[in-house]
Amino acid sequence: KQEVTQIPAALSVPEGENLVLNCSFTDSAIYNLQWFRQDPGKGLTSLLLIQSSQREQTSGRLNASLDKSSGRSTLYIAASQPGDSATYLCAVFWFRGTSYDKVIFGPGTSLSVIP
Amino acid sequence: DGGITQSPKYLFRKEGQNVTLSCEQNLNHDAMYWYRQDPGQGLRLIYYSQIVNDFQKGDIAEGYSVSREKKESFPLTVTSAQKNPTAFYLCASTDRQGAADTQYFGPGTRLTVL
Repeated sequence: KQEVTQIPAALSVPEGENLVLNCSFTDSAIYNLQWFRQDPGKGLTSLLLIQSSQREQTSGRLNASLDKSSGRSTLYIAASQPGDSATYLCAVFWFRGTSYDKVIFGPGTSLSVIP
Repeated sequence: DGGITQSPKYLFRKEGQNVTLSCEQNLNHDAMYWYRQDPGQGLRLIYYSQIVNDFQKGDIAEGYSVSREKKESFPLTVTSAQKNPTAFYLCASTDRQGAADTQYFGPGTRLTVL
């Protein structure tokens, strides 16, 4: 059975710190993995997408890595800012050939960056 | 501006009533999805559609129904058969048939059963 977990569930850091969020998944035959940000009461905003053949993706202060063999992805946020405060979710997609099979979202990590 | 719109933002339903949530996109995306989000849980897939006039059940389709008569529209009906409908509902789309490109999300509809 495919499962996706995220650790920690919540994180509070002072402004300027570098931090790492973790996402773990069973069944390493993934199609891709996506990281999203969600502000309270709002929809999700895509941050980074890593295809199964890739090891990492970078966008500004964000860097996401993927290790399929260990079933893990990390989201690294450099020089955190109060505006980074939000819930961060990872989503794992599995395909059968070229057809969509399943998507599972992790429960999220709630990040609070203290000024 | 391209994007996904959902309406209404808040919806209140009496027990036993059916309600329909709207999702419209002007991104020209082929695939559309409906998710449900409950506090402390990840999103769960209700239904998805890869092309017009075709849709498939997700993990929690019981008590829900959808239609896909137009590429830009994917309405979700929450029926009286759904035992616990109070939740935050999110619609999303991607730009290739079934290919898991980046998912774009709407702002969500919060449904409350009175």
